[in-house]
Amino acid sequence: AQSVTQPDIHITVSEGASLELRCNYSYGATPYLFWYVQSPGQGLQLLLKYFSGDTLVQGIKGFEAEFKRSQSSFNLRKPSVHWSDAAEYFCAVALRGSTLGRLYFGRGTQLTVWP
Amino acid sequence: EAGVTQFPSHSVIEKGQTVTLRCDPISGHDNLYWYRRVMGKEIKFLLHFVKESKQDESGMPNNRFLAERTGGTYSTLKVQPAELEDSGVYFCASSQGRTNEKLFFGSGTQLSVL
Repeated sequence: AQSVTQPDIHITVSEGASLELRCNYSYGATPYLFWYVQSPGQGLQLLLKYFSGDTLVQGIKGFEAEFKRSQSSFNLRKPSVHWSDAAEYFCAVALRGSTLGRLYFGRGTQLTVWP
Repeated sequence: EAGVTQFPSHSVIEKGQTVTLRCDPISGHDNLYWYRRVMGKEIKFLLHFVKESKQDESGMPNNRFLAERTGGTYSTLKVQPAELEDSGVYFCASSQGRTNEKLFFGSGTQLSVL
């Protein structure tokens, strides 16, 4: 079945520690790939996206993500987490040939940051 | 510049009642999307407007849901009559142009049906 999987529902890290949030997708053709973040009381905000080309993409707030075709993965990373990064993170895909705003989301990963 | 605005932020109603959610997109954004997140599950697409026209409503759960976009500006999503399983967070998002991939999301409406 077609799906976006975020295997970690909740992750806790200490401030300053590195972070990796996992995302796997299952679609016939490689979709367009996105990471969104939702801070408390806010709407979802686009962190970064991958369409083609360089498999390591840089985003806002110091985040980056790496596309690995062989693993059908698009993991999000940050070298040093700040307390303000505490939020819920969503991996999403859009199908090639479809409307880019028609997204399929994973269930989200809640990030807690310890001081 | 104002972002995407949703109203109300919370709504608590009883089963069988009617509720109308409103979304004001960013001015000039032709594309408007509705999404829903049921507790513990993923965010799911409901429908897509281009200006005042419904481009894709394949995600609408059933005919108890009616979405409109008056004059291509704000949009409303009416649930009538509401059922318990309609509870969740309803998000609205907008984007500019046909190929613009950046969605701007509102903060959502938390709907609780008791």
